[in-house]
Amino acid sequence: GENVGLHLPTLSVQEGDNSIINCAYSNSASDYFIWYKQESGKGPQFIIDIRSNMDKRQGQRVTVLLNKTVKHLSLQIAATQPGDSAVYFCAENAGNMLTFGGGTRLMVKP
Amino acid sequence: NAGVTQTPKFRVLKTGQSMTLLCAQDMNHEYMYWYRQDPGMGLRLIHYSVGEGTTAKGEVPDGYNVSRLKKQNFLLGLESAAPSQTSVYFCASSYSSPGLAHEQFFGPGTRLTVL
Repeated sequence: GENVGLHLPTLSVQEGDNSIINCAYSNSASDYFIWYKQESGKGPQFIIDIRSNMDKRQGQRVTVLLNKTVKHLSLQIAATQPGDSAVYFCAENAGNMLTFGGGTRLMVKP
Repeated sequence: NAGVTQTPKFRVLKTGQSMTLLCAQDMNHEYMYWYRQDPGMGLRLIHYSVGEGTTAKGEVPDGYNVSRLKKQNFLLGLESAAPSQTSVYFCASSYSSPGLAHEQFFGPGTRLTVL
């Protein structure tokens, strides 16, 4: 409902620890998924993507895991830093469009 | 490259006024999109375009119109603004369809308040 979005799920981690952000997607026909990072007052920024023919993809300090059986996507951030504090969104393709999840706020404690 | 730029950055309107938001991209992308983002929520697609001269409705198109007269520009119009249209508006562009695994690049956003 309208009020669900006002209470973003929040993940609080200690600096240097690993972070895992989860996302459930809805369309079993989606074949492309993206993670975006959004810092306060800025537009979303691409982090990493994965196609449905893969179940894992690694970038610099980030890993995306895709489990098509349960329609679940996760973003792992290694050695989390204060600069990683932001809201993270997953997105899945729906034809010519992307559908975005509600987001998770990551807070990094020094 | 400037990437995706949006004009203006901030705007306050009174109910019933009209305005146009301008999005420009210098990456020669075919696809362009307009989203709105309400507090604590994800992005919802308003309209999009798969090429110059074409537009299509997204998830929440009511109360908005768009035009793509030039490949590099995508305009979002509000004919008669309502308080429910208070939001942050983001423009994005991509080389091709998300179905072909092409990421979207976002602009910095326009914060619109309708009184």
